[in-house]
Amino acid sequence: DQQVKQNSPSLSVQEGRISILNCDYTNSMFDYFLWYKKYPAEGPTFLISISSIKDKNEDGRFTVFLNKSAKHLSLHIVPSQPGDSAVYFCAAGESNNFNKFYFGSGTKLNVKP
Amino acid sequence: GAVVSQHPSWVICKSGTSVKIECRSLDFQATTMFWYRQFPKQSLMLMATSNEGSKATYEQGVEKDKFLINHASLTLSTLTVTSAHPEDSSFYICSARDGGFRTEAFFGQGTRLTVV
Repeated sequence: DQQVKQNSPSLSVQEGRISILNCDYTNSMFDYFLWYKKYPAEGPTFLISISSIKDKNEDGRFTVFLNKSAKHLSLHIVPSQPGDSAVYFCAAGESNNFNKFYFGSGTKLNVKP
Repeated sequence: GAVVSQHPSWVICKSGTSVKIECRSLDFQATTMFWYRQFPKQSLMLMATSNEGSKATYEQGVEKDKFLINHASLTLSTLTVTSAHPEDSSFYICSARDGGFRTEAFFGQGTRLTVV
């Protein structure tokens, strides 16, 4: 039973436009969320996180939005750059146990020049 | 900082043999290390969590006798796939936390295991 879902396996966006990657979760106990970025042949690297006490967290071109009632979060990248082309994973967990995060299946983003 | 190195990057082995994968934290002490497995187009599935000097905690459905995990030091954890079979072919990836306030874990580059 997958507790974190990324329903779009891939997304293609033109350079300079906004990329929106979506993630849904089912466990209402989850209160901490992370996004990771993964290039081919490399391990995932941490991108941005958000706690459930917030509904938005911004870091440069990356913004994560959290809708607790809908159990939905999204990652916005603006403006998108070709170097952003990668697989993006969202992860969710409980803040009382940072050792256990559940990952989505990833969304492959392709930013076209 | 916060680099995790995983070795080997890929390995092919014969059915019935054992394979060891190493995960090292290069510039921090990893009090907790995690081992994941990823099938094509699927999530990273947590296999086990290990704390330095103690036995690993395995997730439900993961055979502890088949996937031996050792976390003997604060910078090294190993995963040994014993008596490998073709269905064990997968992408295995480790991550590590430093036990501090940072919530994120740092990942190795993964190991592609193919059992023939």
